Amino acid sequence: DAKTTQPNSMESNEEEPVHLPCNHSTISGTDYIHWYRQLPSQGPEYVIHGLTSNVNNRMASLAIAEDRKSSTLILHRATLRDAAVYYCILGQGGSEKLVFGKGTKLTVNP
Amino acid sequence: GAVVSQHPSRVICKSGTSVKIECRSLDFQATTMFWYRQFPKQSLMLMATSNEGSKATYEQGVEKDKFLINHASLTLSTLTVTSAHPEDSSFYICSAIRPQGRRTEAFFGQGTRLTVV
Repeated sequence: DAKTTQPNSMESNEEEPVHLPCNHSTISGTDYIHWYRQLPSQGPEYVIHGLTSNVNNRMASLAIAEDRKSSTLILHRATLRDAAVYYCILGQGGSEKLVFGKGTKLTVNP
Repeated sequence: GAVVSQHPSRVICKSGTSVKIECRSLDFQATTMFWYRQFPKQSLMLMATSNEGSKATYEQGVEKDKFLINHASLTLSTLTVTSAHPEDSSFYICSAIRPQGRRTEAFFGQGTRLTVV
């Protein structure tokens, strides 16, 4: 399974944008980039996914580097409810066997 | 959005007994489900792939005789922890896979907190 590298932790202030980076230098051409987040004592929650182009949805934006070796999850205005562990995962389209790394623990300060 | 439900959300059992955890896809059929285990302050560890109508595929190091998986219908997979010991205490999470156009999408249950005393 292709691996990803994320910072262990990040901090943000409420209502400010947050940029969560992810490196995936060994990504293959068919790997999708998935982002999930996990609140304490809950199962992971889907955030966003992409293949090559940048993606936007109601939760976040995903910026994918041109060479696809890195990506950035963007939360446009962090809220206290966004405090969670964010996982960047590579997965084959058509097979959602997701292998989780350590993720980034995001702390949002009021 | 699609909903995956796990039951129970919490369970405490005595050492040596068996515990069954259910994972249901409530509004879609899932031919594939996955089971994960998560220890405190650690990431999710994939345990096995549950395939409807066939045997589960276990990840390396996971004992198939200890963690019995049954996927008897398109909406239900069960994980039975047999002869549980305190070291099996963990947070168990399932995911169910729903076809979504040309790709599939994973939906996760809310998790089951198992405590073995």
